[in-house]
Amino acid sequence: DAGVIQSPRHEVTEMGQEVTLRCKPISGHDYLFWYRQTMMRGLELLIYFNNNVPIDDSGMPEDRFSAKMPNASFSTLKIQPSEPRDSAVYFCASSPTVLTDTQYFGPGTRLTVL
Amino acid sequence: LAKTTQPISMDSYEGQEVNITCSHNNIATNDYITWYQQFPSQGPRFIIQGYKTKVTNEVASLFIPADRKSSTLSLPRVSLSDTAVYYCLVGDGQAGTALIFGKGTTLSVSS
Repeated sequence: DAGVIQSPRHEVTEMGQEVTLRCKPISGHDYLFWYRQTMMRGLELLIYFNNNVPIDDSGMPEDRFSAKMPNASFSTLKIQPSEPRDSAVYFCASSPTVLTDTQYFGPGTRLTVL
Repeated sequence: LAKTTQPISMDSYEGQEVNITCSHNNIATNDYITWYQQFPSQGPRFIIQGYKTKVTNEVASLFIPADRKSSTLSLPRVSLSDTAVYYCLVGDGQAGTALIFGKGTTLSVSS
């Protein structure tokens, strides 16, 4: 298996633009997680899905952020409109069957909003 | 959800054993203790998980005292490549509550 795949790896955009981050989880994994990492706040859980259904989105910072999982092999995290404070590394992770299972992280997307 | 406290940073030299302690005073009966490692520019990677006593794998050992209010990750004979951030997580994954990553412990290994 190729592991968790994220695209793009790097994204530079201007304030106000829409940004879409993509994730392909490991096949057969029931859980998918979106995280954001910054120096100031560390690694924050934004939202997670179980069998394509969003379970907890309490970490989503505001309405500008939205996430979808239309099928078991694809998820998106969208920011519209983007702001400079959204600059961070965004990680996607997946895990097999229960929340205490090992999470497998993707390589991350480094987002810079100018 | 049990809160964890771990040192912000630690320094060591190659060949030494490193012990990173995590405090989790309000750990619940069903909670597991999990450690992850994160190298620069990479996502975190699972190291070890335990419930009580001692767990050992090819990478590390995890020591958990009887009261389970703390745990210690032990890295034997560290090398430069063990320089990373180490996260301690506590939880049982029940009630839809995912495990929470804090800021972790930054371990710096020097030659």
